Amino acid sequence: GAGVSQTPSNKVTEKGKYVELRCDPISGHTALYWYRQSLGQGPEFLIYFQGTGAADDSGLPNDRFFAVRPEGSVSTLKIQRTERGDSAVYLCASSLFRRENTGELFFGEGSRLTVL
Amino acid sequence: RKEVEQDPGPFNVPEGATVAFNCTYSNSASQSFFWYRQDCRKEPKLLMSVYSSGNEDGRFTAQLNRASQYISLLIRDSKLSDSATYLCVVNGQGFGNEKLTFGTGTRLTIIP
Repeated sequence: GAGVSQTPSNKVTEKGKYVELRCDPISGHTALYWYRQSLGQGPEFLIYFQGTGAADDSGLPNDRFFAVRPEGSVSTLKIQRTERGDSAVYLCASSLFRRENTGELFFGEGSRLTVL
Repeated sequence: RKEVEQDPGPFNVPEGATVAFNCTYSNSASQSFFWYRQDCRKEPKLLMSVYSSGNEDGRFTAQLNRASQYISLLIRDSKLSDSATYLCVVNGQGFGNEKLTFGTGTRLTIIP
């Protein structure tokens, strides 16, 4: 498809387990973002990639969270030792790199993570 | 204080009515401003940008007041299909970085 693709769409895991969430951005989009959205809240920024490098990881809540984008396309968000508080919808978005900010991020449908 | 604050609602409005949402932001250095729309259990999508001079897109009008640090969205002649959560969004970064800060969203339900 032409949009941002995220897998899995739903993930249920037990506290303490390791989880990987995958994002396949729109072809040609060099910028990739991960956000997290809890119930009743707006999306919360986690990390931003420009190409292969993490340009801004200031939103990662702690060292249990890590993300990679080794070839500048697909990205994986990795969560170690999951906690119940990690339960949320993890949204990936991509955009073109432009000189002016258009605010136009294209979001995937998200990966809903439930930690029991 | 949150970077972007919105009244979460819900706003229950009869079809055809006009409804307005406001949002305030705390970072006076914020560069650009947007409204996103999010349908239930769907991803957010850009609705419109917000310019200092005010801008209109059909039934939707957005305004920015930099001095008071607030943003507004007006919806005229509301339709059932306007029911959604409206997210106020601010970008405090430099050009080329679309790191967006979202408000909690205002939930709107249009009643037939």
